Amino acid sequence: AQRVTQPEKLLSVFKGAPVELKCNYSYSGSPELFWYVQYSRQRLQLLLRHISRESIKGFTADLNKGETSFHLKKPFAQEEDSAMYYCALSGIGGAQKLVFGQGTRLTINP
Amino acid sequence: GAVVSQHPSWVICKSGTSVKIECRSLDFQATTMFWYRQFPKQSLMLMATSNEGSKATYEQGVEKDKFLINHASLTLSTLTVTSAHPEDSSFYICSAHLVGDYNEQFFGPGTRLTVL
Repeated sequence: AQRVTQPEKLLSVFKGAPVELKCNYSYSGSPELFWYVQYSRQRLQLLLRHISRESIKGFTADLNKGETSFHLKKPFAQEEDSAMYYCALSGIGGAQKLVFGQGTRLTINP
Repeated sequence: GAVVSQHPSWVICKSGTSVKIECRSLDFQATTMFWYRQFPKQSLMLMATSNEGSKATYEQGVEKDKFLINHASLTLSTLTVTSAHPEDSSFYICSAHLVGDYNEQFFGPGTRLTVL
């Protein structure tokens, strides 16, 4: 079964502190992993994906196949990072449907 | 680029009526679009995959006769909630798949449906 688990519904850290949003998955095969972000009153948008191996807005995420994890990290949180973050997976290739985790609401305190 | 719009952004209707929601890819063609449903403080749940020129593929538990999907052109998919009831009240979000080097979906802003 395809499943994405984000254990933390809420996460609150102080500005300048490191941030880690956890994501674990189960998938029979080789999935593609994503992090999506939804800022207040805005639509869902792609933050990063594991195959591009980029750092976006200071965030990185490494796919750990052994631990079936794709945790999102940022060394120094900024207030503008406050948002809802969703981890998602899909199959590889073509127009594949996304399976979303429950989401983590990140709040950065000044 | 890669903008997806939804219309209407919100709608209130009486129980028993039907409501149509449009999803448009404004600056690209999308052979595949997806429809999601989001309850308050919950994640997105895929309802169906909409394929241009063919029947939609529904997820388990989603009534295809209740949620009619039409994808008649490469830039438009519609979701019609037939005989709506209060339990159908939700936030409906569409996404459109952009063909390219990467497999990426672009999301619409969502439509808030309230059934009285």
